[in-house]
Amino acid sequence: EVQLVESGGGLVQPGGSLRLSCVASGFTFSTYEMNWVRQAPGKGLEWVSYISSSGSTKDYADSVKGRFTISRDNAKNSLYLQMDSLRAEDTALYYCAREYTTSGFDPWGQGTLVTVSS
Amino acid sequence: QSALTQPRSVSGSPGQSVTISCTGSSDDVGAYNLVSWYQQHPGKAPKLMIYDVSKWPSGVPDRFSGSKSGNTASLTISGLQAEDEADYYCCSHAGSYTHWVFGGGTKLTVL
Repeated sequence: EVQLVESGGGLVQPGGSLRLSCVASGFTFSTYEMNWVRQAPGKGLEWVSYISSSGSTKDYADSVKGRFTISRDNAKNSLYLQMDSLRAEDTALYYCAREYTTSGFDPWGQGTLVTVSS
Repeated sequence: QSALTQPRSVSGSPGQSVTISCTGSSDDVGAYNLVSWYQQHPGKAPKLMIYDVSKWPSGVPDRFSGSKSGNTASLTISGLQAEDEADYYCCSHAGSYTHWVFGGGTKLTVL
């Protein structure tokens, strides 16, 4: 079964840091592009970051550029999101998602909740 | 990076058809045939329903169909069923740096 499982969320103070992880199983992780997508409570989906299959290309939404860093370890079938200088507006459920052929995200993980509050 | 524009809500009766629009620009929807649609039920992760504007992933019924004209993509759901009631999101490729942009989401109510 193709599966993604996120972890690492939690409560953090403004200005703090968190590192999210996403472990993949059921497919050849190293051949797929991956993304992080977030959803603030009661709000819509927002693309956060992209990484190519090799890890050589990375893109970020303007809202997180310079503060978040995406990375992957293909040997460990794992995707990461290092989040620094966190703000209240970063509070959201963070999903990792595999790119499905040319467009589309499938599957999605169950999400990990990040809450930024003092 | 402006979000794509979707109607906040649409509704229809069982058996009817509804169409959800997704309007972008010549930098995203109009530039690439890389539009996807997602269904999200409360408390659940999004589910891919359409990719590459009009293609179906395995397991998605053909009651769901996608199309695009200019800077606007559309998702049509025919033969509405109660279980189709959910939030729907469109997404488009937006170039090398922005990469992907989502619509604001549309709540579908089955009357």
